[in-house]
Parts: sequence; structure tokens; C-alpha cells
Amino acid sequence: QVQLQESGPGLVKPSGTLSLTCAVSGDSISSSDWWSWVRQAPGKGLEWIGEIDHSGSTIYNPSVKSRVTMSVDRSKNQFSLKLTSVTAADTAVYYCARGSCTVYACYPDYWGQGTLVTVSS
Amino acid sequence: EIVMTQTPFSLSVAPGQPASISCKSSQSLLHSDGKSYLYWFLQRPGQSPHLLISEASNRFSGVPDRFSGSGSGTDFTLTISRVEAEDVGVYYCMQSRHLPYTFGQGTNLEIK
Repeated sequence: QVQLQESGPGLVKPSGTLSLTCAVSGDSISSSDWWSWVRQAPGKGLEWIGEIDHSGSTIYNPSVKSRVTMSVDRSKNQFSLKLTSVTAADTAVYYCARGSCTVYACYPDYWGQGTLVTVSS
Repeated sequence: EIVMTQTPFSLSVAPGQPASISCKSSQSLLHSDGKSYLYWFLQRPGQSPHLLISEASNRFSGVPDRFSGSGSGTDFTLTISRVEAEDVGVYYCMQSRHLPYTFGQGTNLEIK
């Protein structure tokens, strides 16, 4: 069974950088799947942040594209998210997910439990 | 970006009764391969979302057969044939036909 586990600081100062890692088990980060990040502000809906494949190819949501970087670490079977210049609007539960792909599209089929990141001084 | 609109915002259903949720997209999700890239998720209270339906009508592994999805193009429906207590939570539709992927605002299901 595929399992994903997010980790990282739960508190980030305004204008700082949010950094999260997602450890994957039950699947190889080097597979044909893509690896996604989705966030959910308190009491709000879901927002797709972007995704990355094993080679490091990325697709980002334009809403955060200028501030986001994703990377993979094949040796540790994990992938990471960095979001710079954060504000209170970036306070959210951040989920990592596996993007299972068909020929034409991917979709998040397995999700981590999520980690709350609060942006506050 | 594609706007996904779910109705109703919330619904209250007695156990054993049916329930349906509508999801409409601002552009067609139908690909030339004949598939609509529309997905349904359930987020139970305090949990992460989990996948119910892929490509509009395919039940994900382990999902009870009381859940079904239908629709094509811009109009989609999730139907629960007989609601059970464990079905409580927020249901989201999501499209991955167009970038960026986008979600509906969610539909909260309560048990009467």
C-alpha cells in the first residue's frame, strides 16, 4: 500500500520560506507517477499547488509559480516543496499526494495525512 | 483556469436514502480519447481527502459499489445509492483535463 508522510516546520515567519518534505513508501519515486502538493486553508477548499516527476520535471499552479520550487530525492524516496515570501494567506494544511497518470492526465490517488503550516511572527 | 461549481453546498440525508451531488465545469473536460478527466474525493472530518471516482465513472479500489459517478463534458454527478453513517464528510470534484488542476468548493454531507 502506498503511504505518504509530510514533515517540516509548523510555524514560518512572514516573508520567510516554507519547506516541507514528503516521504514515500510502497512505491518508488522513480516510477512513472507524478508527485503532487495540495493545500487547504483553514475552513476552506482544496488548492492544487503543483507536481513533479522523477526526473525533476515540474508543473506549477500560476497562483504560486513565482514562489514555488519542487524537487525529488530519489536516494531517499522523497520529494519536497519550498514556498518563498510567505504571508498569512499561505497558512494551510499541506498535503502531498501521488499523481497517478494515464496517457493524458494525472490525478492524486493516495494522499498523506497533511501537515498544518502557520505563517505568523 | 477552469471553475468547478458543486451543488448543493450541503445536504442532510437519512441513513439508507440516496444522495446526489452535481459538479459543473466552466469548460469541457472531455478529451479526444473519449474520457472526461473528472474525479471525486471524500474528506471525512479530520482526515485527508481520499479518491472515490476517477475519470467520471470509475470506482477506485476498495470504494463501495453504492458510490457511482456519471456525466461527460461539463456536467457530472456523484450518486450514493444508500447513504451510511461513514459517508459523512465533504465531497469534492476535481478536474485534471486543463492546467492548473482545480477543485469544486465542496459539498458537506450530514446524516439526519
